[in-house]
Amino acid sequence: SQTIHQWPATLVQPVGSPLSLECTVEGTSNPNLYWYRQAAGRGLQLLFYSVGIGQISSEVPQNLSASRPQDRQFILSSKKLLLSDSGFYLCAWGDGSYEQYFGPGTRLTVT
Amino acid sequence: KNEVEQSPQNLTAQEGEFITINCSYSVGISALHWLQQHPGGGIVSLFMLSSGKKKHGRLIATINIQEKHSSLHITASHPRDSAVYICAVTVMDSNYQLIWGAGTKLIIKP
Repeated sequence: SQTIHQWPATLVQPVGSPLSLECTVEGTSNPNLYWYRQAAGRGLQLLFYSVGIGQISSEVPQNLSASRPQDRQFILSSKKLLLSDSGFYLCAWGDGSYEQYFGPGTRLTVT
Repeated sequence: KNEVEQSPQNLTAQEGEFITINCSYSVGISALHWLQQHPGGGIVSLFMLSSGKKKHGRLIATINIQEKHSSLHITASHPRDSAVYICAVTVMDSNYQLIWGAGTKLIIKP
């Protein structure tokens, strides 16, 4: 069966520090991968999606970036965090149907 | 105006009450999803609909494609149903991208 992992589960980082959040999927190959963010009191917003290794599409221009170095690995990064980057980050994968499967999420607090 | 609108934003009800949460959308969709998010943050997919009605236990989801509207119903509500319920749509002709509603925070009091 398929499993999606995200880490860390929670993270507290100072403003200006770098960020790396990792998402990996098991049990499937060539998945579509997605990063979403939920800011406090707001709905989830698509940040990036990837349909294959090295293929990243950005939905929202900001100081975040994403990379897909391997088929089932999706990484969200920042060189310098802003206070406004605080939120709940959710990774998801899709198998080419309309269903998406979600990871446990990472709660990021930028102080 | 958001492409996916949910109502109400907040809902408090007594245990046993029949609950309805509404979702309207303004884009062409391939599917509509209802999801549940508990206080810890984890999201669970409840339903995926492209037409008609689906039922799972005490949960019922309906969709009217012509009216671009969906409802999530909870019968015989229970305090453990307390959560945020989120409507999301898969945009037609996209790479299965989801557009999310803001969520409805439901509290069921014993």
